[in-house]
Amino acid sequence: EVQLVESGGGVVQPGGSLSLSCAASGFTFSTYWMHWVRQAPGKGLVWVSRISSDGSGTSYADSVKGRFTISRDNARNTLFLQMDSLRAEDTAMYYCARDKNAEPYDSWGRGTLVTVSS
Amino acid sequence: DVVLTQSPLSLPVTLGQPASISCKSSQSLLHSSGSTYLNWFQQRPGQSPRRLIYKVSKRDSGVPDRFSGSGSGTDFTLKISRVEAEDVGVYYCMQNTHWPPYTFGQGTSLEIK
Repeated sequence: EVQLVESGGGVVQPGGSLSLSCAASGFTFSTYWMHWVRQAPGKGLVWVSRISSDGSGTSYADSVKGRFTISRDNARNTLFLQMDSLRAEDTAMYYCARDKNAEPYDSWGRGTLVTVSS
Repeated sequence: DVVLTQSPLSLPVTLGQPASISCKSSQSLLHSSGSTYLNWFQQRPGQSPRRLIYKVSKRDSGVPDRFSGSGSGTDFTLKISRVEAEDVGVYYCMQNTHWPPYTFGQGTSLEIK
């Protein structure tokens, strides 16, 4: 069974940092692109970042470029999102999702909540 | 960036009746590969999103056949032939033809009348 389990969320002050993880199981992690998608409370889905299967290619939404860094460890089947210089508008549930052959997001995690507040 | 505009944003439907959600793109979603990368997702209250349809009309495993997707170019539709109580939630279209960024529609909230 495919499983994606996010962790690392919490409350952080503006300007602070947080590191999210997504543990993958039940599939060959190293063959999938992976993404982070976020959802502010009561709002819609917004793509954040994507990483290629071997980690050599990354992309970011303009709103997080230069502040967030996506990475992965294929030996540990884990996806990461390092979030620096956090702002109140980064408050959201963060989901990881997989993508293969341009057929994205067939599986999602339950999400981890990030709250940026003083 | 590609903008996806969904309508309606709120959709009250009587149980057993059909429902239809439109998704219009600011540019054609036909990729140079010949495929069109338009997807539909359902998010039930308190749950993570779930993909229903990919590449316009391909239904995911386990998705009831009352859900169908159609369209081409810039105009796409998700149809539910007979709405059931478990269909309550928010529906999003999403494109991965022109990226980055991957973009979602604003969402359509389906409720039972």
